[in-house]
Amino acid sequence: ILNVEQSPQSLHVQEGDSTNFTCSFPSSNFYALHWYRWETAKSPEALFVMTLNGDEKKKGRISATLNTKEGYSYLYIKGSQPEDSATYLCANGGSNYKLTFGKGTLLTVNP
Amino acid sequence: EAGVAQSPRYKIIEKRQSVAFWCNPISGHATLYWYQQILGQGPKLLIQFQNNGVVDDSQLPKDRFSAERLKGVDSTLKIQPAKLEDSAVYLCASTSTGRTGYEQYFGPGTRLTVT
Repeated sequence: ILNVEQSPQSLHVQEGDSTNFTCSFPSSNFYALHWYRWETAKSPEALFVMTLNGDEKKKGRISATLNTKEGYSYLYIKGSQPEDSATYLCANGGSNYKLTFGKGTLLTVNP
Repeated sequence: EAGVAQSPRYKIIEKRQSVAFWCNPISGHATLYWYQQILGQGPKLLIQFQNNGVVDDSQLPKDRFSAERLKGVDSTLKIQPAKLEDSAVYLCASTSTGRTGYEQYFGPGTRLTVT
């Protein structure tokens, strides 16, 4: 993996469903993995910054895991709500505070 | 704490015209970034400032794009002349330095449409 890749590109779920997305990144020279949520017409909002292999972080119904050896991170949303509809971006953080973003996963939660 | 401010929020111009965007980072944040997000792509770093010095501008199209950060606070990004492919959201972000697991704080962006 040379770049940051995210899957799926888009996802439609029903309210109450649980869902997850994948972010793949280069496993060499790893420093940090960032997850952002970006709602239309708003600022991208930081969800998690993860630095350690095996890290698991949680914020309300959203959680994330990190595997730096194999170069992937999962973002989970439990019991999706319409207000979770957004683009979820992951980014690989370098040693010089520079972020390389994936293309994002567009989540739509239908009421 | 006030967030990152950007203006204007929206701008429509014709190709070959000039445009400028303004960013005011979070107070005390030494590092400032400008990103370009084209529809269907992830944000791409254009330029990174540390105080008022440029750290990385390797992906800035210098024939038409310029950026400055006078006095290490506010920053402006200019496009002259604009092309159709410059239509994008331009995001500004800032971060304090010296933090492990640093987090970048983003402004709401400027959506540019070039016709």
